[in-house]
Amino acid sequence: AQTVTQSQPEMSVQEAETVTLSCTYDTSESDYYLFWYKQPPSRQMILVIRQEAYKQQNATENRFSVNFQKAAKSFSLKISDSQLGDAAMYFCAYRRRDGATNKLIFGTGTLLAVQP
Amino acid sequence: KAGVTQTPRYLIKTRGQQVTLSCSPISGHRSVSWYQQTPGQGLQFLFEYFSETQRNKGNFPGRFSGRQFSNSRSEMNVSTLELGDSALYLCASSFAGGENIQYFGAGTRLSVL
Repeated sequence: AQTVTQSQPEMSVQEAETVTLSCTYDTSESDYYLFWYKQPPSRQMILVIRQEAYKQQNATENRFSVNFQKAAKSFSLKISDSQLGDAAMYFCAYRRRDGATNKLIFGTGTLLAVQP
Repeated sequence: KAGVTQTPRYLIKTRGQQVTLSCSPISGHRSVSWYQQTPGQGLQFLFEYFSETQRNKGNFPGRFSGRQFSNSRSEMNVSTLELGDSALYLCASSFAGGENIQYFGAGTRLSVL
């Protein structure tokens, strides 16, 4: 069975600084997706970034980038130039790529605080 | 384009009652998945519907059920509510599996007293 682990329950960063959130996962599959979702107090889960396992290049979306280490089964999220609006719970998630399911397996989340 | 709509936003029930939650996916999306979010267990997959058929189910008791209509709207039902069913229930929709991204609704907060 696949598992996702986030070992940092809480993180804090100063506004305009950079922070990295960690995620490790376990799977026997070779083809899958990894995601970072953001859940602000409004509860709406928002996709931050997606990484396809077959792509070696790390995904980037504006101030958000990932460090994907497939062999180590590690998938960290780097937030550059942190903004107050980045404060939220961040979830790492895994999904198989076979098209037969949309089931996401989530980590336990990291609560990010941004200090002004 | 309207997002995923979940109704109601908040619900208060008592033990033993049953409840039905609704999820209207983004127009054109045929896949709807449900998740339960609690402080203790985190986010757990309940089930997924695609074209009115349940194609995946999580590890929840039979009190949890769902269905999907021909317009892709989905409902989930919880019978004989227990205190432990208090949670945020999230719905996500997408076109299908594979490359498609899932979009989440704002959830229904269920409190069981």
